[in-house]
Amino acid sequence: AQSVTQLDSQVPVFEEAPVELRCNYSSSVSVYLFWYVQYPNQGLQLLLKYLSGSTLVKGINGFEAEFNKSQTSFHLRKPSVHISDTAEYFCAVNRAGGTSYGKLTFGQGTILTVHP
Amino acid sequence: NAGVTQTPKFQVLKTGQSMTLQCAQDMNHNSMYWYRQDPGMGLRLIYYSASEGTTDKGEVPNGYNVSRLNKREFSLRLESAAPSQTSVYFCASLGIGSYEQYFGPGTRLTVT
Repeated sequence: AQSVTQLDSQVPVFEEAPVELRCNYSSSVSVYLFWYVQYPNQGLQLLLKYLSGSTLVKGINGFEAEFNKSQTSFHLRKPSVHISDTAEYFCAVNRAGGTSYGKLTFGQGTILTVHP
Repeated sequence: NAGVTQTPKFQVLKTGQSMTLQCAQDMNHNSMYWYRQDPGMGLRLIYYSASEGTTDKGEVPNGYNVSRLNKREFSLRLESAAPSQTSVYFCASLGIGSYEQYFGPGTRLTVT
């Protein structure tokens, strides 16, 4: 089985500052990694995903994440945040291949609050 | 293009009552999922349907049943609601060969 730990439950930051949301995972097999964003009172939307290839993945809204296999991490970064980035962010993993296709395991979520 | 729709948006039940949460997708996706979201716990998979005609348990299936009515629709039923089932429920769908799950807007359920 796999598990995901998001190391910060809340991250406050000022507008135009950089931000990093941390995610570590645990799995005995290869995994695919995802970041989803949830704006208030909405469903989840995919920000970016890592399946294979380059370990630096770029997503929507200027976000990027780096897959680090040795540290089993997949941290999300943005160099300059906007007020509109205020939301809850979820890291998720999916065991690669086999019958586990689509069965996501989510982290606990990190609430990003951007202050003016 | 509506994507994934869920009904109702809000529901209040008394302990022991039953209800069905409805989910439909118009993207011709094969796979559909039901999650519950609780504060500080992220989303947890309740049941999923890899394709029309199949369903399987996820991480937290106790107290729930599902029906994959056709390719478009996937319903979640609570036979005898309990306060521990107070949560926000999300339905999601996934197309073949894609790893992007599309989520509905959620149903906020309160059991008193």
